[in-house]
Amino acid sequence: ILNVEQSPQSLHVQEGDSTNFTCSFPSSNFYALHWYRWETAKSPEALFVMTLNGDEKKKGRISATLNTKEGYSYLYIKGSQPEDSATYLCASLTGTASKLTFGTGTRLQVTL
Amino acid sequence: EPEVTQTPSHQVTQMGQEVILRCVPISNHLYFYWYRQILGQKVEFLVSFYNNEISEKSEIFDDQFSVERPDGSNFTLKIRSTKLEDSAMYFCASRGLAVYSYNEQFFGPGTRLTVL
Repeated sequence: ILNVEQSPQSLHVQEGDSTNFTCSFPSSNFYALHWYRWETAKSPEALFVMTLNGDEKKKGRISATLNTKEGYSYLYIKGSQPEDSATYLCASLTGTASKLTFGTGTRLQVTL
Repeated sequence: EPEVTQTPSHQVTQMGQEVILRCVPISNHLYFYWYRQILGQKVEFLVSFYNNEISEKSEIFDDQFSVERPDGSNFTLKIRSTKLEDSAMYFCASRGLAVYSYNEQFFGPGTRLTVL
């Protein structure tokens, strides 16, 4: 059974703090790992698609790393801003399947 | 920027009624999906659709569910006889060819279905 887990479930930080979340996934038959940012009442927004072990991707203040051998990915946010407040979802693709298997998400709240 | 749209944003229905949730995927995409999230739970896969047929479905997607692409733009999810446990946020997603997109799926904003 494929199980994707995320931690922490929620996080409350001050503006300017840097933070990171973890996504763990089964490493067998790995194909890709997706990170999404989801604000309430909006579409989940794709942040990164990661495929290679050791991959590191960056978009502005947000970056992510991938370890496919041990089955985890980290998402980092540098200098958090209130507009970063959202739920961050990771989702795994395995083998030849095209369906995404999601984690529970990490809800981030950034306050002034 | 092209986006996936869904209507309605919120649907309230009585148990046993039929509902149709509508989605307009990104126009040049070929693969279409429905997911749902019951409050407090993970987003879970329901069904994928390619070349006018279902390519994969989950255990949740039983005979009460059906999908259709009635024209060149819409992609619909029908629930024939809704149950209380069908109450959830339903997301539509679409993607282009994997060789170009690494299976990146673009999501709509969701339809919140409430079954009373």
